[in-house]
Amino acid sequence: GQQLNQSPQSMFIQEGEDVSMNCTSSSIFNTWLWYKQDPGEGPVLLIALYKAGELTSNGRLTAQFGITRKDSFLNISASIPSDVGIYFCAGRFITNSGGKLIFGQGTELSVKP
Amino acid sequence: EAQVTQNPRYLITVTGKKLTVTCSQNMNHEYMSWYRQDPGLGLRQIYYSMNVEVTDKGDVPEGYKVSRKEKRNFPLILESPSPNQTSLYFCASSPMGRGRGYGYTFGSGTRLTVV
Repeated sequence: GQQLNQSPQSMFIQEGEDVSMNCTSSSIFNTWLWYKQDPGEGPVLLIALYKAGELTSNGRLTAQFGITRKDSFLNISASIPSDVGIYFCAGRFITNSGGKLIFGQGTELSVKP
Repeated sequence: EAQVTQNPRYLITVTGKKLTVTCSQNMNHEYMSWYRQDPGLGLRQIYYSMNVEVTDKGDVPEGYKVSRKEKRNFPLILESPSPNQTSLYFCASSPMGRGRGYGYTFGSGTRLTVV
C-alpha cells in the first residue's frame, strides 16, 4: 500500500535556527498536509497544499508540494521553544469512497533555548 | 466550538475485559476515522467510516470493532483487549469531497494501557 517516508525522525536544534523536514513516497498524492502534535494533544493542521509546485507559508512555516506529487517539505524559520513537538506529513489520495490520508512517521523537534 | 471529543483520556484495563472508547464530533462531518499512534510508527489507521452505517477497515483493524449508528458518533470497541493494544488512540473527522478544506480534525487522544 501507499507509504510515506518522513525524515529526519528527530532534530535537536538551537533557538533561532531554521528547520527543514521532508516526506517522500513512491505514490502520487492529490493533497499534502502538515500537522503538529503538542505533547498530550492531538495533531493540529498547520498547512495544506493542493496542487503540484504549490508553495505556501503560514507565519514562520513554509511548505511545498513537490512537482512530481510524490514529496513535500516543511521549513520552519527562526525556531522558538514553542515549536517543540512532533510534526507529521500526510498525503491524501482519491479513492472511490472519496479520499484517504496516509501519515508519515513523524519528526520530533526539540529546541534548546 | 468545532471539535472532536474522545473519552476517556486515560484508561488502564486488564487483558480480556471489553472496553469502548467514545468519539463524537459536532461539525456534521461525514468522514470519521480511528488511528493508533506508536513510537516510531506514526499514525496508523484502524477503521474509518464514510457515513452512517458505512464502515471499513484501515491498515491495522485486527482486534477492533467500530459502529456508526449516528453521524456524530464513532465508538471504538475492543472486545478482548491485549497488551499489544496498549497505545495512544486518536479519533478524527473531516468533510467528504475532493475540494479544498479537506483536513482532519483530531480529538485529544485516549491513552490506553492493557495489563
